[in-house]
Amino acid sequence: AQSVSQHNHHVILSEAASLELGCNYSYGGTVNLFWYVQYPGQHLQLLLKYFSGDPLVKGIKGFEAEFIKSKFSFNLRKPSVQWSDTAEYFCAVKTNSGYALNFGKGTSLLVTP
Amino acid sequence: GAVVSQHPSWVICKSGTSVKIECRSLDFQATTMFWYRQFPKQSLMLMATSNEGSKATYEQGVEKDKFLINHASLTLSTLTVTSAHPEDSSFYICSARRQGHEQYFGPGTRLTVT
Repeated sequence: AQSVSQHNHHVILSEAASLELGCNYSYGGTVNLFWYVQYPGQHLQLLLKYFSGDPLVKGIKGFEAEFIKSKFSFNLRKPSVQWSDTAEYFCAVKTNSGYALNFGKGTSLLVTP
Repeated sequence: GAVVSQHPSWVICKSGTSVKIECRSLDFQATTMFWYRQFPKQSLMLMATSNEGSKATYEQGVEKDKFLINHASLTLSTLTVTSAHPEDSSFYICSARRQGHEQYFGPGTRLTVT
């Protein structure tokens, strides 16, 4: 069965620290990959997505992610986090068999001043 | 553009009653809408996929007679939780897919069954 794993459930960082959130998936075929963010009390927003082409994808708010096909990974990075990045981050995978998304369990990020 | 709304945002109902949740794509036509359920501090679990004018496709383990989905138009899908029980209390999130684009998510509906 397909699955999406996010390694870090809770991350606490100080402002200006660098961030890397891991995401691995298990699916052998072609995939589309997404990172969503859910700020407290708000709905899911798309940070970035990978469909094809350059495996290094840049998203909004200074986030980027790298697709490494050999490792089935799509890790999210940001060089310097801000307090406003405090949120829940979800990795999601869409396979070619449909349009539904499979989500990871999410990573709760707390950025302290 | 690409705004998805849900109504109500929060509902409390008594055990045994039914609750209807609406999901609307406000500025685009959604060929497909999805319903997810999110437990506290957990991920979104896909419940069903609905295409306008056809029956919804439910994920394994989701009772279709309990969670009725109607996708009557290209901008509206409804989820009705029938004979709700406390274990149905959860956060229900819909998303709408625009032709050729990714999914856009609604703000969610918190259901509390007492």
